[in-house]
Amino acid sequence: DTGVSQDPRHKITKRGQNVTFRCDPISEHNRLYWYRQTLGQGPEFLTYFQNEAQLEKSRLLSDRFSAERPKGSFSTLEIQRTEQGDSAMYLCASSQDRGIDEKLFFGSGTQLSVL
Amino acid sequence: GENVEQHPSTLSVQEGDSAVIKCTYSDSASNYFPWYKQELGKRPQLIIDIRSNVGEKKDQRIAVTLNKTAKHFSLHITETQPEDSAVYFCAVPPGRGGSYIPTFGRGTSLIVHP
Repeated sequence: DTGVSQDPRHKITKRGQNVTFRCDPISEHNRLYWYRQTLGQGPEFLTYFQNEAQLEKSRLLSDRFSAERPKGSFSTLEIQRTEQGDSAMYLCASSQDRGIDEKLFFGSGTQLSVL
Repeated sequence: GENVEQHPSTLSVQEGDSAVIKCTYSDSASNYFPWYKQELGKRPQLIIDIRSNVGEKKDQRIAVTLNKTAKHFSLHITETQPEDSAVYFCAVPPGRGGSYIPTFGRGTSLIVHP
């Protein structure tokens, strides 16, 4: 499968626990995005990498959230001390640097439920 | 940041009818406008896109039209089929600056009744 893959597909955790998600982008894509999606809403931007550099973070991203892309390939998103409001679908997307027409390729997402 | 409004939020049509979804944006420098389709439980997928140097683009039963002056673009689906039922999102990247981060609309849930 040469698409974007995310792991795990589902995660159920108790409030206060830490969780980590992984995203493997399409291999030749140098840009990687994390979005969050809740029911009935569009994807909401969290953070963005170009190669290994994290270039932008949403103001919505609290200090409990951290993301890495250590070698410019896969990325991890960690949420510390999870809260019920963190329950959402976490989507990863990747794209190739093409200038204006950035076509995003999404993974299937990780559905997080915080009990 | 970019302000993106998408309407309607839900759209219910009979099979064979046409469907139109509209997206308005705020950054007049934006110059690329994609539409994504998300079927239930699946990932969003790009279905059609348009650059600002053209006013319309068509791909079989789907088309996108762009009005740069009015800052809106629309998705048109003709001869709708039940498999068109999904949530559709417009996305608008900023037109200037170093970031390439698209802002998504809130989505339109299209239901096609057989």
